[in-house]
Amino acid sequence: KAGVTQTPRYLIKTRGQQVTLSCSPISGHRSVSWYQQTPGQGLQFLFEYFSETQRNKGNFPGRFSGRQFSNSRSEMNVSTLELGDSALYLCASNPQGATDTQYFGPGTRLTVL
Amino acid sequence: GENVEQHPSTLSVQEGDSAVIKCTYSDSASNYFPWYKQELGKGPQLIIDIRSNVGEKKDQRIAVTLNKTAKHFSLHITETQPEDSAVYFCAALMNSGYSTLTFGKGTMLLVSP
Repeated sequence: KAGVTQTPRYLIKTRGQQVTLSCSPISGHRSVSWYQQTPGQGLQFLFEYFSETQRNKGNFPGRFSGRQFSNSRSEMNVSTLELGDSALYLCASNPQGATDTQYFGPGTRLTVL
Repeated sequence: GENVEQHPSTLSVQEGDSAVIKCTYSDSASNYFPWYKQELGKGPQLIIDIRSNVGEKKDQRIAVTLNKTAKHFSLHITETQPEDSAVYFCAALMNSGYSTLTFGKGTMLLVSP
């Protein structure tokens, strides 16, 4: 089976712009979670989608949003970018959610100038 | 919410030595504990996991132990090899019905030939 894929792999934006990141889960997986990884804060949970519904949300401002499509692919959007949004954004998928094993993609490296 | 502490932050060993990384968690409702290995430029890769109804699990050179009473779990790598060099993350998942992993800050393991 193909693994989790994320596009683009690298992205450079300037402050104030917005960005959309994409994640394609492993075939058959219905749950997609997003995490932000920074050197200072480590891996932090952003949100989880299951069957096109946001099931859980982390402690991030409303500038961070996401959605999931009927084929389980997911996108996340960050509006009004700030320098502190520079991070590796990781997507993870699992079959149903809850205690299923989560498999991570390679991430999207976002740099905000 | 859940809080996971991980020690040490860096660990240097000689090839062939054993390495131990320890994590503690705060919420007794957590029932799933995965370990991930992250190499430079890649997303976290699951290497082993343990559920709360098991005290120990082994997979070749890697083992994980769980002490529910003390709320801590550990990763043991025996006969380390240079290719084991990476950042290792522990995580905990609460029995909340959500796929929300809380991660430790990571341990950079360096294995010298």
